[in-house]
Amino acid sequence: IAGITQAPTSQILAAGRRMTLRCTQDMRHNAMYWYRQDLGLGLRLIHYSNTAGTTGKGEVPDGYSVSRANTDDFPLTLASAVPSQTSVYFCASSGSKETQYFGPGTRLLVL
Amino acid sequence: AQTVTQSQPEMSVQEAETVTLSCTYDTSESDYYLFWYKQPPSRQMILVIRQEAYKQQNATENRFSVNFQKAAKSFSLKISDSQLGDAAMYFCAYRSYGSGNTGKLIFGQGTTLQVKP
Repeated sequence: IAGITQAPTSQILAAGRRMTLRCTQDMRHNAMYWYRQDLGLGLRLIHYSNTAGTTGKGEVPDGYSVSRANTDDFPLTLASAVPSQTSVYFCASSGSKETQYFGPGTRLLVL
Repeated sequence: AQTVTQSQPEMSVQEAETVTLSCTYDTSESDYYLFWYKQPPSRQMILVIRQEAYKQQNATENRFSVNFQKAAKSFSLKISDSQLGDAAMYFCAYRSYGSGNTGKLIFGQGTTLQVKP
């Protein structure tokens, strides 16, 4: 069992480009989340999905979009990347016991 | 809105000794969950321990235990018999209870723990 996988592991992106970060879980968890981690700020929620077909905005949603076509996948898209989106991005999921389990993260540098 | 504060940016401990990491939080809710996550240099976020606010008994997981003081809104993590592999950044996190919320975790700023051999 892999748990949660994220791709790519890291990426350097030119400002203005479109980028999709992929997240897949094999635990059949209903809820999935995207966080960004910035130095000194901990992790902050970008978007979430409580079940397939539904999504919601978190604390810092601007410039990001998500979709949840099925239970396993929860991609995060940056429509037009800006340097302030340089960060480490974590995908997480949770089942009935409320604990969230995290993927390995994607390090993104926007130049 | 709920907030989580970790007032110790860095801590150090001698191998085999005990260390306590502090966390305080602010909330008007009576039911919630609290977590400690460990982030080693590999970047992976690893769950260390979890506490339900309605439980008076402090959670323990092997060498890790918490001191949960609900009235004081304090949730400290004690690591006993510290090992070199415990060196990491530790995050305290809060989650509201119930299915009607986003389920998001609210994180503190993190405490970097150094373990000296």
